[in-house]
Formats: sequence, C-alpha cells, structure tokens
Amino acid sequence: NAGVTQTPKFRILKIGQSMTLQCTQDMNHNYMYWYRQDPGMGLKLIYYSVGAGITDKGEVPNGYNVSRSTTEDFPLRLELAAPSQTSVYFCASRRGEGETQYFGPGTRLLVL
Amino acid sequence: QKEVEQNSGPLSVPEGAIASLNCTYSDRGSQSFFWYRQYSGKSPELIMSIYSNGDKEDGRFTAQLNKASQYVSLLIRDSQPSDSATYLCAVELDTGRRALTFGSGTRLQVQP
Repeated sequence: NAGVTQTPKFRILKIGQSMTLQCTQDMNHNYMYWYRQDPGMGLKLIYYSVGAGITDKGEVPNGYNVSRSTTEDFPLRLELAAPSQTSVYFCASRRGEGETQYFGPGTRLLVL
Repeated sequence: QKEVEQNSGPLSVPEGAIASLNCTYSDRGSQSFFWYRQYSGKSPELIMSIYSNGDKEDGRFTAQLNKASQYVSLLIRDSQPSDSATYLCAVELDTGRRALTFGSGTRLQVQP
C-alpha cells in the first residue's frame, strides 16, 4: 500500500492564480482531511469528508474548495491564491471515528 | 480556552533521561486520544493511541490517560537525540465533528 499520496510536493503560485492539490489514499478509508500548517504552528483543519459526496468545513475553509467524488480522492482547490495561503498542506485519512489517522507527505505552497 | 492544550516548549532533556509531555483537553466526553511525532519538514506519524484510563506501554513510550482530570501524557524513557521532534496530542472531541482536534505541539530537544 502506498498509503496517502499528495501531489505536487512543492509549488510556487502568483497572487490570483488557482491550483488543485491532489490527495489519494489506497486504504479504502471513509474519512479524509485537509490541514494547513504554518511555520512553527499547529495543524488547522480546512475541510473534511466522511464519504464520497459528503464534505464539511473545518476551522479555516475560506479561500478553498473541495470535492469527494470517489472514496480514494480528495482534491483541494485554491481559487485566487493569496500570500496568506503560503503554507504546508497535509492530507490525511482514516477508516472512521476513533481510528488512527494517517498523513500524506505534504505539499509546500508558496504564493508570491 | 483552547480545546486541546500543550506547552509549546522547548522541553530540553539529557540523553538517557525520561521526557514527560502533557496535554489537556476541554471536552469531558472525549473517547479517543493519540500522540503523533513530527520531525521538522515531515508529516506527523502516529506514536500511540489510548482509549481507556490508565497507562499503555509500547517500547520506550508510555501513554497515560486520566479522563476525570482531562489530561493525557506521553513518557519517553531513555530519551535519544533521535527523539528530538515536535509531539502533537490529538483528541477526538465529543462535538459531533468527525475530526481529530490537534494541540499546537511540544518541541522536545534531547541533548547528547
């Protein structure tokens, strides 16, 4: 099993550009999550999904969108990138409530 | 009051000593608790999970849970320089949001 994979590993965006961060898991997990982590700070939940077709906002959803059309994939869309979105983005998944959560390797995003 | 609180550190211990990391949480109904380790520039990885009051041991690591006092701790025996990392406490709060809530992490430094 590859676990949770994320692409790209690193990206530089100009202000106002858009992009999609990809996340795929091969563990047949129902729950998937997107976090951002600013330097020296903790994880902040952006969006999450408890199954295909179901998504919900986390703590910091503004400026982002998600979709969950399959169990495996949970892409994060950034519209109109802003410098405040410079961060490291982690995707994570788990089977369900109370279960261990597994993280992807992260995507480092720089908005200039 | 933050929902999950940790001392940010750094906690500095000499090699071979016991490192004690603490975490308090706000929701008395919480049932699932996790400790993650995060090396600089890497994604969080699970160290231990604990669900019942008392101690749970795994090698050099012991997790301790006290639901009445709403705290969970992690002890690392025979600390090694390779244990130097940020340790994240995560709690499944009884809020209806099906996501873990992470503390901001405690940075541990093990001095050779």
